[in-house]
Amino acid sequence: TQLLEQSPQFLSIQEGENLTVYCNSSSVFSSLQWYRQEPGEGPVLLVTVVTGGEVKKLKRLTFQFGDARKDSSLHITAAQPGDTGLYLCAFAGGTSYGKLTFGQGTILTVHP
Amino acid sequence: GAVVSQHPSWVICKSGTSVKIECRSLDFQATTMFWYRQFPKQSLMLMATSNEGSKATYEQGVEKDKFLINHASLTLSTLTVTSAHPEDSSFYICSAEDVLAFEAFFGQGTRLTVV
Repeated sequence: TQLLEQSPQFLSIQEGENLTVYCNSSSVFSSLQWYRQEPGEGPVLLVTVVTGGEVKKLKRLTFQFGDARKDSSLHITAAQPGDTGLYLCAFAGGTSYGKLTFGQGTILTVHP
Repeated sequence: GAVVSQHPSWVICKSGTSVKIECRSLDFQATTMFWYRQFPKQSLMLMATSNEGSKATYEQGVEKDKFLINHASLTLSTLTVTSAHPEDSSFYICSAEDVLAFEAFFGQGTRLTVV
């Protein structure tokens, strides 16, 4: 059983389109993290959402944490080929920041 | 941000041999590091928690005798894949916990191919 259900698993879009990736769970989290990983590299933290209902923006990326802190979404506006990569949501277990459980990931391909 | 260096970036080994992967925190001390495995087009799965000066904690289903972890200093953890088999071929990624930054930082990963 996946604690974090991430969807869609694959997304192939044209440059300029908008997209949303979802991360859902039946569990309540104190925080959720979003990472981006490029092929052959380690994941890089994009954002941590902490407060229920919180919205964070990072240039064209908008992250939202559900009011009940059970789900989160990542919205990309006007996607660019440079946004191509694997997007992962994750939560940290216990008191450790680094003991992460990841969702299945979303492979995003943005075609020029 | 903080830098975590993983070495080597890729390695090819023969079946039955052992391979050691190093994970170093370059500008902070990390009493806790983590090792993950990632298969192609899949997510990261936690293998074990590496604790400086004590035994590693392995996740369910991960063989501790096959994946030896040593965390002998505050900046270095090593993962040794013993008696490697082709099914051990994977992308291994470490992360190091920076308690002052309230964040863990990932290495660049090691692509292991067992032939």
